Amino acid sequence: DIQMTQSPSSVSASVGDRVIITCRASQGIGSWLAWYQQKPGKAPELLIYAASSLQSGVPSRFSGSGSGTDFTLTISSLQPEDFATYYCQQANSFPYTFGQGTKLEIK
Amino acid sequence: EVQLLESGGGLVQAGGSLRLSCAASTFTLSSYAMSWVRQAPGKGLEWVSSISGSGVSTYYADSVRGRFTISRDSSKNTLYLQMNSLRADDTAVYFCAKDLMAGTTINWFDPWGQGTLVTVSS
Repeated sequence: DIQMTQSPSSVSASVGDRVIITCRASQGIGSWLAWYQQKPGKAPELLIYAASSLQSGVPSRFSGSGSGTDFTLTISSLQPEDFATYYCQQANSFPYTFGQGTKLEIK
Repeated sequence: EVQLLESGGGLVQAGGSLRLSCAASTFTLSSYAMSWVRQAPGKGLEWVSSISGSGVSTYYADSVRGRFTISRDSSKNTLYLQMNSLRADDTAVYFCAKDLMAGTTINWFDPWGQGTLVTVSS
């Protein structure tokens, strides 16, 4: 199975800050990576797919990059509604696997 | 707007069975791959099972293979997850999710349903 490791596990930041979350795959996955945002008590929502494609309706302050084993999610200027938990997911091969999550908290 | 509505969760004893349903509206379920993803209380996301758009191919996590069965009823536009021989570590919120793009491939989960809670008592 492909293991996905996110860092950091949690991060505190302020509105307006730039935040970068990283995701590392245990083996190469090309660009078969997605990022999801989950708020407490809610279902996850797709932000980025194919490593860098922005899902329709997602603000442009979110961006993704990377290929192979190393990926990043960047939020260019944090807004109050961005405080949530973020997960990466590989879609290269079954079983599909998620990272452990990164909790983004208000400083 | 695409909507997915799960039902069928509840409290069950270890060794018991449940069938989860995911009713789709505003799109034809058989045109898309569909998946189940679960989240244990306070934990992260775990992919459980997927069915291709054609319905020919199904995939399972090792933790549920042989116990869970994914299926769909095109006439009811509904996805199912039959769960047998339930264990305490199956306790989780179960989400159904549609694939982002129409076709047979299974890649990106969008959107997700609101989830249904399954609690297995030991």
